[in-house]
Amino acid sequence: DTAVSQTPKYLVTQMGNDKSIKCEQNLGHDTMYWYKQDSKKFLKIMFSYNNKELIINETVPNRFSPKSPDKAHLNLHINSLELGDSAVYFCASSQDLRGEWNEQFFGPGTRLTVL
Amino acid sequence: GQQLNQSPQSMFIQEGEDVSMNCTSSSIFNTWLWYKQDPGEGPVLLIALYKAGELTSNGRLTAQFGITRKDSFLNISASIPSDVGIYFCAGQWDGSQGNLIFGKGTKLSVKP
Repeated sequence: DTAVSQTPKYLVTQMGNDKSIKCEQNLGHDTMYWYKQDSKKFLKIMFSYNNKELIINETVPNRFSPKSPDKAHLNLHINSLELGDSAVYFCASSQDLRGEWNEQFFGPGTRLTVL
Repeated sequence: GQQLNQSPQSMFIQEGEDVSMNCTSSSIFNTWLWYKQDPGEGPVLLIALYKAGELTSNGRLTAQFGITRKDSFLNISASIPSDVGIYFCAGQWDGSQGNLIFGKGTKLSVKP
């Protein structure tokens, strides 16, 4: 009964390629997020969606495009991958945006390696 | 922008010892969350705090939301080997639209 799932777990690809990471939550939450964790383990939010609407876009390059086909899914598509994109990407979800409804539940992460 | 200062960066302790870590900020937060991340996994929520001065326990874990709303601490009592991992504080402020700011983490190592 995985609450927040991501695929793939590992992704190794060449510079310049386009790749996607999928995320699904079965918690019935309205809000989903994408985070990037760098090699020093620093977690930084990239995007958040509430009811399929983009809420936060934290100065992420245009090469990153989130897509939310429905409330349970938030996929991350990355164009023209660069070496600096190598990181672990986490999807998360919460019931809502604010206060006690913003307890965020994280997926297991996708380790992206760009060669 | 908003920043959280988390300390210590790492801790090496003996099994059975108590542990304390904290986060401070120059800004006021209205929510503090404490997460633990095991290797190869996503962060898991340990404790959530919503009111200034609130003290909350979860088993051997105790966390407090500082009165000034600019700090929080997490204590772990009688540590065991499975406490090993990285602990993160995260805060949310009014108007942040769900944006959580994470501290840089405290890496805990427990020697059996």
